[in-house]
Amino acid sequence: GESVGLHLPTLSVQEGDNSIINCAYSNSASDYFIWYKQESGKGPQFIIDIRSNMDKRQGQRVTVLLNKTVKHLSLQIAATQPGDSAVYFCAENKSGYSTLTFGKGTMLLVSP
Amino acid sequence: ETGVTQTPRHLVMGMTNKKSLKCEQHLGHNAMYWYKQSAKKPLELMFVYNFKEQTENNSVPSRFSPECPNSSHLFLHLHTLQPEDSALYLCASSLNLGGLSYNEQFFGPGTRLTVL
Repeated sequence: GESVGLHLPTLSVQEGDNSIINCAYSNSASDYFIWYKQESGKGPQFIIDIRSNMDKRQGQRVTVLLNKTVKHLSLQIAATQPGDSAVYFCAENKSGYSTLTFGKGTMLLVSP
Repeated sequence: ETGVTQTPRHLVMGMTNKKSLKCEQHLGHNAMYWYKQSAKKPLELMFVYNFKEQTENNSVPSRFSPECPNSSHLFLHLHTLQPEDSALYLCASSLNLGGLSYNEQFFGPGTRLTVL
């Protein structure tokens, strides 16, 4: 769906905690999902992706979970560090189409 | 640092000025994108180019004019902008193989545009 004039959801955690960032996607036909991290003054950077034939994928300190039944995506960051502070976006895509649809973003604030 | 570069990084212009934003990708991709990122809105897709052909224009005002001379370069020409056009303009690229390919986009650092 579309949103205008939104306030960015914020997740505040302590260094060393595990963080979970959630995202609801809208298109049941989407079969590819990406998490991006955007630090202040920079463009979004790819973190991890997952295809719809999987429900879990792990990277270095990050895990993405996909629940297609409820169209929900989550990003788990283990042992969160101050350098993880950023805005995190999920994006969905239907294979064969070039367009990504981005979520609203969640700001993660990590306190030392 | 990503393989997508954007210049300038910062731009201040008056409403009567004409300026251009440049994007270059060094990743061998065949699709390029312009996005607008405002402070209180999600990323807004503006234009999509596949194999140098514009395949999407998301109802963008004509004061924004894209140009894609080849698959590595993308421009956004600006003229008679409004203060509400002030935003971060992001360029991205991807390898679009069609069919069942998956479309991971790589972003540049953006141009911070201020319209006075």
